[in-house]
Amino acid sequence: GAVVSQHPSWVICKSGTSVKIECRSLDFQATTMFWYRQFPKQSLMLMATSNEGSKATYEQGVEKDKFLINHASLTLSTLTVTSAHPEDSSFYICSATSGSLYNEQFFGPGTRLTVL
Amino acid sequence: AQKVTQAQTEISVVEKEDVTLDCVYETRDTTYYLFWYKQPPSGELVFLIRRNSFDEQNEISGRYSWNFQKSTSSFNFTITASQVVDSAVYFCALTPNTGNQFYFGTGTSLTVIP
Repeated sequence: GAVVSQHPSWVICKSGTSVKIECRSLDFQATTMFWYRQFPKQSLMLMATSNEGSKATYEQGVEKDKFLINHASLTLSTLTVTSAHPEDSSFYICSATSGSLYNEQFFGPGTRLTVL
Repeated sequence: AQKVTQAQTEISVVEKEDVTLDCVYETRDTTYYLFWYKQPPSGELVFLIRRNSFDEQNEISGRYSWNFQKSTSSFNFTITASQVVDSAVYFCALTPNTGNQFYFGTGTSLTVIP
C-alpha cells in the first residue's frame, strides 16, 4: 500500500516553456503533499508543502510565481514550472502523507526535468 | 532547529566487507522519527527503516542493522557482507512530531566494488 506516482518520469523542454508535473497518491488520501528538488549529487531540498484545498507554503528562496503548486484533491498535486530555464533542470520528487501516526511520507519515483 | 548530518560523503568498500554509514541529528523535540532511505541510480527513494525517539532498540533486518543512540544523537546504519547491489546513495532523515516536514541529511554515496 501507500503508493505515490509521478508523471511524467522525465521531460525535456525548451527554455521559456512551462512544464507540469503530477503527483498522485494511488491508494490513500493525502492530506499533505510535499515537493522536493534534488540537484545532482545533492540532497533533497524541500520546495513547498501543500494541503488539499489551500495555498501551498513555500520554503525560503523558492519563487512561488515560478513554481506553481495546485493541490486540488486529496489524491493529486501538481507542480508547474513556469518559463523554465536551464537552471531549473533538476530531479523533482513529490511525497505524500496521510497524517499517520508515524509522520511517514511516501515518496514518488521522481521526475527528471531537463531544460534546453 | 532540526538538522541531520551525514559526514561521510562517499564510501567505497570491496564486496563482502561490512560498512557503517553515520548519521547525527539535532532536534529540540522530545518526540521525533528517524528514517533511512536508499536512492539507487534510478532516483526513486526506497524506504529502509523508521524509528521513533522512544524506541532505542537496535534493529536488524537481514544484512542491515541500525544503531540508535539518543545519548549521542546518532542513528547509524550498518550493512554486513556488502553486495554490489547495495551501491546507492543513502539518506538519513528526521521528522519532528510537531509537523510532517522531513529534514534530510546530505547523503552518503556508497560504492561496493566487486
